[in-house]
Amino acid sequence: AQKITQTQPGMFVQEKEAVTLDCTYDTSDPSYGLFWYKQPSSGEMIFLIYQGSYDQQNATEGRYSLNFQKARKSANLVISASQLGDSAMYFCAMRGAGRRALTFGSGTRLQVQP
Amino acid sequence: NAGVTQTPKFQVLKTGQSMTLQCAQDMNHEYMSWYRQDPGMGLRLIHYSVGAGITDQGEVPNGYNVSRSTTEDFPLRLLSAAPSQTSVYFCASSYSIYNPNTEAFFGQGTRLTVV
Repeated sequence: AQKITQTQPGMFVQEKEAVTLDCTYDTSDPSYGLFWYKQPSSGEMIFLIYQGSYDQQNATEGRYSLNFQKARKSANLVISASQLGDSAMYFCAMRGAGRRALTFGSGTRLQVQP
Repeated sequence: NAGVTQTPKFQVLKTGQSMTLQCAQDMNHEYMSWYRQDPGMGLRLIHYSVGAGITDQGEVPNGYNVSRSTTEDFPLRLLSAAPSQTSVYFCASSYSIYNPNTEAFFGQGTRLTVV
């Protein structure tokens, strides 16, 4: 079985500051991928960043980086220099090799304040 | 690039009515799936398909049917709508499920209310 836990229902951050959204996971799969998706108020799911379980380096995509600590089973999303447009719901998800679906966490609502 | 197209975006049904949510992708993805999103619960898998003619149940399949006659289309049918099916529905497609680094592309979502 797979499980994703996001313990922060809501977060506030000041514009231009960095923010870390927490994600811990549990799986018995030896190979898996970890994903972060952004869901703005308009409702669509936007892929942000991916980390493979065997990747040696933490993933980065522009202002997004994934702080992957395999031993702790955590995959935190770091957003640098927050912008007002970053206000959204953020979901952590994972997929094991051959698994039929992504397993999602319950999400964190981020609000960026001017 | 169209990606994954879902229709309708909003729908209100009366209890007992049936309807079909449409989903089409133009990326030639073999794997397609339907999720529902409920408050505080993230997304849960309803049904999925690994190719034309092949479908299977997900975590919450009751009350829903699917078929996959072509690679592009994967409609979701509500047989007899119930208030418990009030939710936001997402269709997603992926190149593969066997490679764990395959991201899922999502449609815009359908907000369904059953009264």
